[in-house]
Amino acid sequence: QKEVEQNSGPLSVPEGAIASLNCTYSDRGSQSFFWYRQYSGKSPELIMSIYSNGDKEDGRFTAQLNKASQYVSLLIRDSQPSDSATYLCAVRSGGSYIPTFGRGTSLIVHP
Amino acid sequence: DAGVIQSPRHEVTEMGQEVTLRCKPISGHDYLFWYRQTMMRGLELLIYFNNNVPIDDSGMPEDRFSAKMPNASFSTLKIQPSEPRDSAVYFCASSVVGFAEETQYFGPGTRLLVL
Repeated sequence: QKEVEQNSGPLSVPEGAIASLNCTYSDRGSQSFFWYRQYSGKSPELIMSIYSNGDKEDGRFTAQLNKASQYVSLLIRDSQPSDSATYLCAVRSGGSYIPTFGRGTSLIVHP
Repeated sequence: DAGVIQSPRHEVTEMGQEVTLRCKPISGHDYLFWYRQTMMRGLELLIYFNNNVPIDDSGMPEDRFSAKMPNASFSTLKIQPSEPRDSAVYFCASSVVGFAEETQYFGPGTRLLVL
């Protein structure tokens, strides 16, 4: 059973702070890692993907991958109230085209 | 492209009735997924198709659920008979798997309430 674990939160941070969202996964053969953002009442949308160890930056978002420790994280710098959403981590194993989703972490950015 | 299209957006029905959810994937995408999302269980994969062929339906909760994909531009998820515990948001997603591209694009979802 491939598992993807996330703290459900909510994670509450003040506006302008760094929000750190974490995800651990069970399958060591995992190759692709994704962060989806889901606003309340809306569908998930991809914001970051990462495939190799280290950091990947895109604007205010940084994805970090550590395959040895089997975790992937998402940092949001200069958090804005518009970042308030649920963030879903998804992990794809090498033997599958299909990612497994975590249950998501709720992020609240308060003014 | 208009993205993944789902209909209806909202469905309220009574227990025992048949429910049919519809999905039009993004043109050119060869994978189609049906998910169910609830507060209790999160996002669950029900079934997925590759080139219109069902590949894995192990997530379908029971025989009351069925899914078809008669062509590359249309899929249905049917629940017959429906039960209150089927109330959830049902998402359809599509993707194309290739080098550096495997993003799943989600439709807006169908919010199903079974009374």
